[in-house]
Amino acid sequence: DTEVTQTPKHLVMGMTNKKSLKCEQHMGHRAMYWYKQKAKKPPELMFVYSYEKLSINESVPSRFSPECPNSSLLNLHLHALQPEDSALYLCASSQGATGPAGEQYFGPGTRLTVT
Amino acid sequence: AQKVTQAQTEISVVEKEDVTLDCVYETRDTTYYLFWYKQPPSGELVFLIRRNSFDEQNEISGRYSWNFQKSTSSFNFTITASQVVDSAVYFCALRGDSSYKLIFGSGTRLLVRP
Repeated sequence: DTEVTQTPKHLVMGMTNKKSLKCEQHMGHRAMYWYKQKAKKPPELMFVYSYEKLSINESVPSRFSPECPNSSLLNLHLHALQPEDSALYLCASSQGATGPAGEQYFGPGTRLTVT
Repeated sequence: AQKVTQAQTEISVVEKEDVTLDCVYETRDTTYYLFWYKQPPSGELVFLIRRNSFDEQNEISGRYSWNFQKSTSSFNFTITASQVVDSAVYFCALRGDSSYKLIFGSGTRLLVRP
């Protein structure tokens, strides 16, 4: 089973709202990722968690706050977003973060619109 | 520095035609991994294949085949007898052995017309 689930599928939020995106995997993977994808562009890495610890933050603004409560769950907390943050947010997981085990499996994404 | 180039922005073919998607990469790592992902209109990135840098064997999976050539730093993807369901954006990606980060190409949008 190579399934990563994400909720919600779609989210519309105002610039003063606080919301969270959720990601879950039950493959026993120890690395999880958040990506942002704008239309007609490749995904851009935002954060990497390895063994529930934040390993990489690609200079993401603090209005995005990741959280990894356990090895199966990854959240992305959103606060005071800007309209330019509207994008598809993809979660991925891999068995390990580096080496041959770093093959990433992606969820279906959350399409976020900031008004 | 690492880089992946997919020079074909869009390709349009008629169903049952064969189509090849090109991917050229740059890396200084001696051990690295190459990937192809498919992104249909629904948005999910679907993993298709991983190829290790030390394994230059070509691979075939049904109508899909991949040609890895280290000498030209290319990892091309061919779909034989294309179908409408193959319509999607295809991304080639690269990761160094000790790196967390997937380096994506800009993607090739494939349209298969009936």
